[in-house]
Amino acid sequence: DGGITQSPKYLFRKEGQNVTLSCEQNLNHDAMYWYRQDPGQGLRLIYYSQIVNDFQKGDIAEGYSVSREKKESFPLTVTSAQKNPTAFYLCASRPQVNTEAFFGQGTRLTVV
Amino acid sequence: AQKVTQAQTEISVVEKEDVTLDCVYETRDTTYYLFWYKQPPSGELVFLIRRNSFDEQNEISGRYSWNFQKSTSSFNFTITASQVVDSAVYFCALSEAGGTSYGKLTFGQGTILTVHP
Repeated sequence: DGGITQSPKYLFRKEGQNVTLSCEQNLNHDAMYWYRQDPGQGLRLIYYSQIVNDFQKGDIAEGYSVSREKKESFPLTVTSAQKNPTAFYLCASRPQVNTEAFFGQGTRLTVV
Repeated sequence: AQKVTQAQTEISVVEKEDVTLDCVYETRDTTYYLFWYKQPPSGELVFLIRRNSFDEQNEISGRYSWNFQKSTSSFNFTITASQVVDSAVYFCALSEAGGTSYGKLTFGQGTILTVHP
């Protein structure tokens, strides 16, 4: 089945450790996105990519990094520089700018 | 810069009431796209509707309707005869077709809708 897969669904890390969240899509979409969701804050854009080997910072990129080496994959690394990493992370993709985005099921990251 | 504001943080209604969720946006682009999504308790976002900036026709889909007004930069969503299954978080989103924000997809803060039986 076509779709977006985020793994794992739940992730626990110790403070100070980097952690990478996986996002894979088999929809052949050019654009991919990472959002962070906190209670009362809505979806805030971390990074987005319109094409392979290119990506742009979103509104809250500090403390995060991404790569886009393959069209299907857009991993997000939460670094130790991110002060409040505990959150729900959503990955999305879409074919082009005038279309809706498709979302994965999300990864809930807890840093202890 | 593009921005989406959903001023209503939470709305609570009783089943069968009509409810309107407000969305106000800001953009400098003349070509842009607006979206509404629903997020049920499971967490995955469900796409509801897309509207481009050149199409101001209102749309109705069953109990759902959308009112797009460029003059007030608003794209409001109304649920008629609400049901308990409508309880969810609803998001409005904006995407510009050009400029430095090309491809950026910005969401509002979301409105938590609770429908009581």
